[in-house]
Amino acid sequence: DGGITQSPKYLFRKEGQNVTLSCEQNLNHDAMYWYRQDPGQGLRLIYYSQIVNDFQKGDIAEGYSVSREKKESFPLTVTSAQKNPTAFYLCASSSRAAGAYNEQFFGPGTRLTVL
Amino acid sequence: QQQVKQSPQSLIVQKGGISIINCAYENTAFDYFPWYQQFPGKGPALLIAIRPDVSEKKEGRFTISFNKSAKQFSLHIMDSQPGDSATYFCAASNTDKLIFGTGTRLQVFP
Repeated sequence: DGGITQSPKYLFRKEGQNVTLSCEQNLNHDAMYWYRQDPGQGLRLIYYSQIVNDFQKGDIAEGYSVSREKKESFPLTVTSAQKNPTAFYLCASSSRAAGAYNEQFFGPGTRLTVL
Repeated sequence: QQQVKQSPQSLIVQKGGISIINCAYENTAFDYFPWYQQFPGKGPALLIAIRPDVSEKKEGRFTISFNKSAKQFSLHIMDSQPGDSATYFCAASNTDKLIFGTGTRLQVFP
């Protein structure tokens, strides 16, 4: 069953702690993305990666870090430097095949609450 | 130049009515315009998409109208149903990123 999995679905952390959100895909997609969604707002791009061992900052990368050691996995770490980390985090992936459009497939999301 | 402006922010429609959501963009390099549907607590799912070489695309009750000269595109939901109640996002893409609108919360009442 192909798709994108994110875990956990709900995550609670104390202020000042780093936390890592998992994203795995078995779609054989080259590109992966992390977005943040706040109530009443659109999706804001945090980081994206087009190939293994390479990634670029999105519009709101401050306070976040990522790694892309495997094609299937793109974990996101929310560091203590992120001022307002409570949000709904979405992972997505897309094919980078020649001629393919940027059709992104999303995971179910992780809701992070920092207490 | 990278923004996609979406309106309205919220929309209430009677069952059987037509729901219309509008988006506008500035960057003429955009070459792919998808619409996503998101239910509460879930990830967005691709609903329908269009390229700028056509003016309209229809899939079932969902239609995208595209006006290249005005740099606008819209989603029309015909015969709206309560199950269509969700948040809808337009987006635009050039190469490696999608730029999303701020979303429209649609409520369809029976």
